[in-house]
Amino acid sequence: ETGVTQSPTHLIKTRGQQVTLRCSSQSGHNTVSWYQQALGQGPQFIFQYYREEENGRGNFPPRFSGLQFPNYSSELNVNALELDDSALYLCASSQTKLRSTDTQYFGPGTRLTVL
Amino acid sequence: QKEVEQNSGPLSVPEGAIASLNCTYSDRGSQSFFWYRQYSGKSPELIMFIYSNGDKEDGRFTAQLNKASQYVSLLIRDSQPSDSATYLCAVNGNDMRFGAGTRLTVKP
Repeated sequence: ETGVTQSPTHLIKTRGQQVTLRCSSQSGHNTVSWYQQALGQGPQFIFQYYREEENGRGNFPPRFSGLQFPNYSSELNVNALELDDSALYLCASSQTKLRSTDTQYFGPGTRLTVL
Repeated sequence: QKEVEQNSGPLSVPEGAIASLNCTYSDRGSQSFFWYRQYSGKSPELIMFIYSNGDKEDGRFTAQLNKASQYVSLLIRDSQPSDSATYLCAVNGNDMRFGAGTRLTVKP
């Protein structure tokens, strides 16, 4: 157990809809990162938040957005869902802002299916 | 060229053998290197990390890093059937980059 939780576990949406995924970080961890993992692939970095501010972003379009709250919870929002958005979405928490060396601990993930 | 490359496998070893997993990366500025294990349908779990050139041992696991060759490996000694999973190499520079993973099967 990493102390990182995510909800919901599974979600089915249709193309064009919007979705919000939630994550609760380990207590004391000020940094949360979100990843997309397609079947058979490694996780791909979406973005990271440190103390409620975005601290880096991967190669994802603006329809992927996020929020981090003071209580160690965070959200990933995806607008205008596309079929290719079907994936396992992972959040990971870590202690510091130092992206170069910090160790990340993953939550169980949310499986999103877009029909 | 992919930024983090792993042999996708599957790699099959008999129980009790040494499993050797390899990873190469392209960003010379990378500073930290991680091995995660991922069981089917589950999220990645951290096995170990390494920052400095050389070997780092933790129980049955040994990570090896060679920054000049941009190469990192994981050895699993006395492999057990419960080690059967996909092993993800992750490299942290400005962002965490993952390889696609190597699927390991340990046969009883």
